[in-house]
Amino acid sequence: NAGVTQTPKFRILKIGQSMTLQCTQDMNHNYMYWYRQDPGMGLKLIYYSVGAGITDKGEVPNGYNVSRSTTEDFPLRLELAAPSQTSVYFCASTRSLAETYEQYFGPGTRLTVT
Amino acid sequence: AQTVTQSQPEMSVQEAETVTLSCTYDTSESNYYLFWYKQPPSRQMILVIRQEAYKQQNATENRFSVNFQKAAKSFSLKISDSQLGDTAMYFCAFMKHHLTGGGADGLTFGKGTHLIIQP
Repeated sequence: NAGVTQTPKFRILKIGQSMTLQCTQDMNHNYMYWYRQDPGMGLKLIYYSVGAGITDKGEVPNGYNVSRSTTEDFPLRLELAAPSQTSVYFCASTRSLAETYEQYFGPGTRLTVT
Repeated sequence: AQTVTQSQPEMSVQEAETVTLSCTYDTSESNYYLFWYKQPPSRQMILVIRQEAYKQQNATENRFSVNFQKAAKSFSLKISDSQLGDTAMYFCAFMKHHLTGGGADGLTFGKGTHLIIQP
């Protein structure tokens, strides 16, 4: 049981390039989330999904896209990378209904845009 | 929208001492959950403790306990017998409760408190 895995761990992009951050969970969780953490700040919600085929915007969605074709995978796409997207990105998941709403986090991806 | 405020950017205490981290929040919701997450230098987010707003009893987990004051919208974390391994960033977080289940809106985090335990 690997929990939530993210790839890559680190990435450097040039301005205007695109990339996809991968996130996979093996806990059969319905709910998945993408957060970003800027230096000295807490995490902010980018997008979330309540199940395969259903996604919605969080607090800071501009410049990102997501898809959820399976329960396990929730990739985050960056189009036309900008320096403002330099951040650490975390994927998280939780089971639906009660279970105390604990979110399980991946190890994060550190992205630098130069 | 909810906001979470942590007013202590950094705290430092000696090993074995007790330390309290402050958190206040603002919401119009009546049903919600509150969390404390720990982020060590490895940057992994680790759940420390959770509190359901409908429960009056304060949550405890071994050396960690909370003081939840719903009317004051305050949610502080107390760490007893602090250990070197407690050195980390600590984030307070809020989540709305959904009657149909799930946590669809995600967590709202404060900016964090950097806790340093000195030997």
